[in-house]
Amino acid sequence: AQKVTQAQTEISVVEKEDVTLDCVYETRDTTYYLFWYKQPPSGELVFLIRRNSFDEQNEISGRYSWNFQKSTSSFNFTITASQVVDSAVYFCALSEANYGGATNKLIFGTGTLLAVQP
Amino acid sequence: DAMVIQNPRYQVTQFGKPVTLSCSQTLNHNVMYWYQQKSSQAPKLLFHYYDKDFNNEADTPDNFQSRRPNTSFCFLDIRSPGLGDAAMYLCATSGAGGSYNEQFFGPGTRLTVL
Repeated sequence: AQKVTQAQTEISVVEKEDVTLDCVYETRDTTYYLFWYKQPPSGELVFLIRRNSFDEQNEISGRYSWNFQKSTSSFNFTITASQVVDSAVYFCALSEANYGGATNKLIFGTGTLLAVQP
Repeated sequence: DAMVIQNPRYQVTQFGKPVTLSCSQTLNHNVMYWYQQKSSQAPKLLFHYYDKDFNNEADTPDNFQSRRPNTSFCFLDIRSPGLGDAAMYLCATSGAGGSYNEQFFGPGTRLTVL
């Protein structure tokens, strides 16, 4: 069965610290996609990144970086030099190619609340 | 800017009184989704539309219904809200590329049931 685990419920850091959010997934599909979304206090989920199961290259976008390792079924997210504006709930999600045709079912982890203190 | 809009942002209803939540999109996406997110939990997919084709998740209660009169609009109807239905309801859209596509979310409607 498919499952996404974010073991860190809450993390608190001081501004400018680096922080890593962990994500571990389970799936039987060989083709799948992994996503990270940010949910600020306003409530809207904001797409951050997508990674497909055949691409294990790490990715960096500004202060954000992602480390995908199929061997450990993990897709971790690091924020470098954190800022107060990074405070939000971060969700990792899995989408399996076998769900059905043209649509997409996101299976979310329970989220990690990141609080960045000034 | 292209976007997903949800109205109202906050909705208060009484136990058992039907309520309708609204979602509209300017992205012209084929697929529209409704998620329920209870406090401190992950969003949970209720159902989705691919164009006019409705797809219900197996564990979605019958109390929840949806309508999609056209590409731009989708409604969530809760026929007899219970206290356990208090939650944030998120609408999302995506293109028709399957599991590859990211979903674009609206700001949500927070439903309170008294």
